[in-house]
Amino acid sequence: DQQVKQNSPSLSVQEGRISILNCDYTNSMFDYFLWYKKYPAEGPTFLISISSIKDKNEDGRFTVFLNKSAKHLSLHIVPSQPGDSAVYFCAASNGAGSYQLTFGKGTKLSVIP
Amino acid sequence: EPEVTQTPSHQVTQMGQEVILRCVPISNHLYFYWYRQILGQKVEFLVSFYNNEISEKSEIFDDQFSVERPDGSNFTLKIRSTKLEDSAMYFCASRREVGTDTQYFGPGTRLTVL
Repeated sequence: DQQVKQNSPSLSVQEGRISILNCDYTNSMFDYFLWYKKYPAEGPTFLISISSIKDKNEDGRFTVFLNKSAKHLSLHIVPSQPGDSAVYFCAASNGAGSYQLTFGKGTKLSVIP
Repeated sequence: EPEVTQTPSHQVTQMGQEVILRCVPISNHLYFYWYRQILGQKVEFLVSFYNNEISEKSEIFDDQFSVERPDGSNFTLKIRSTKLEDSAMYFCASRREVGTDTQYFGPGTRLTVL
């Protein structure tokens, strides 16, 4: 039951270029979306989030876009840096109950110097 | 910057043994969570805890699992009789109650059941 899907297991990008990570969801009750970054042997680190009432949220080099009609969100990193190399997880919550998160499988981003 | 901490970082145990994983959430947070990630799979929700009781739990969180907040700072996950398939990374997370859905995660405990 993959309610949150990250269809690209990996992505390689040149340093300085844009990285675009994609995420699709199937549960229309999700109303809050988050991106987490994870290095090996560490816990997920919160990166950026977006509420379903918005279609874009920006924080420095990171921008998240939400297309509710397509049930799709994307994370843009511009410019990409070697330190951005990590696994990126998309997560969603339905804003009810305990706000438990449903995660995608992750996309491993490699930024090549 | 406040952070969630977890101990131990790695726990090795024999099948059938009890383990307790410990977490110290961020001090002004009121919601607490356990998630796990089996190697190669996605992070999965186990349980949420608020106001000294379980608020939600997943199908994974069966009678072998329990959570407790024994004092004002620690939040523990106990597995009563470990199975091989309990081997995973276990992550604790915490969240402020009102106005934000952002959960902050600890570094995880790697549980290996032999």
